[in-house]
Amino acid sequence: SQKIEQNSEALNIQEGKTATLTCNYTNYSPAYLQWYRQDPGRGPVFLLLIRENEKEKRKERLKVTFDTTLKQSLFHITASQPADSATYLCALSTGGFKTIFGAGTRLFVKA
Amino acid sequence: NAGVMQNPRHLVRRRGQEARLRCSPMKGHSHVYWYRQLPEEGLKFMVYLQKENIIDESGMPKERFSAEFPKEGPSILRIQQVVRGDSAAYFCASSPDGPGREQYFGPGTRLTVT
Repeated sequence: SQKIEQNSEALNIQEGKTATLTCNYTNYSPAYLQWYRQDPGRGPVFLLLIRENEKEKRKERLKVTFDTTLKQSLFHITASQPADSATYLCALSTGGFKTIFGAGTRLFVKA
Repeated sequence: NAGVMQNPRHLVRRRGQEARLRCSPMKGHSHVYWYRQLPEEGLKFMVYLQKENIIDESGMPKERFSAEFPKEGPSILRIQQVVRGDSAAYFCASSPDGPGREQYFGPGTRLTVT
């Protein structure tokens, strides 16, 4: 069956460290993979999109990698800040009409 | 630039009533998606629409649920004869291009069925 999995356990890190979040998928061949941030009671906010032929994408303190062999994407936040505390959602699109979202990983950055 | 707008933000309905959720996409966006989110769960795709057309409604229950995106006005998600299990947050997203591109989400409508 098709699955998209993110760590269900919250990730707790110290301010200034790098946070690394994982997204694994099975039985999909995504054309695109996206990362979103969601704060409590709010809609998701788009962060980064990476295509299947791209290995890595960066934007300011954010970096996404996409390994189609391992069927995995890693999302990194460098020099993390308490304001980065949120739930981060991984989403993939196979080129069809749907975008499939993972359940998200909650990140807590302690000052 | 106004973002995606949804209203109402909170909606309370008794079992058996109808719920109408509205979504105004960002200016210039002609692609609209509706999602449902339960607490501690991910977003579940419901339906994808372009102006006046339903493109993919495979995530929407066959009964009681319908969606439209008319030529003028907002997109509407309609739930008839609501049941307690319909209680959830419903998010609308819009995109300037087709599927697989970044989506811009509204703040959501929290539906509570009593």
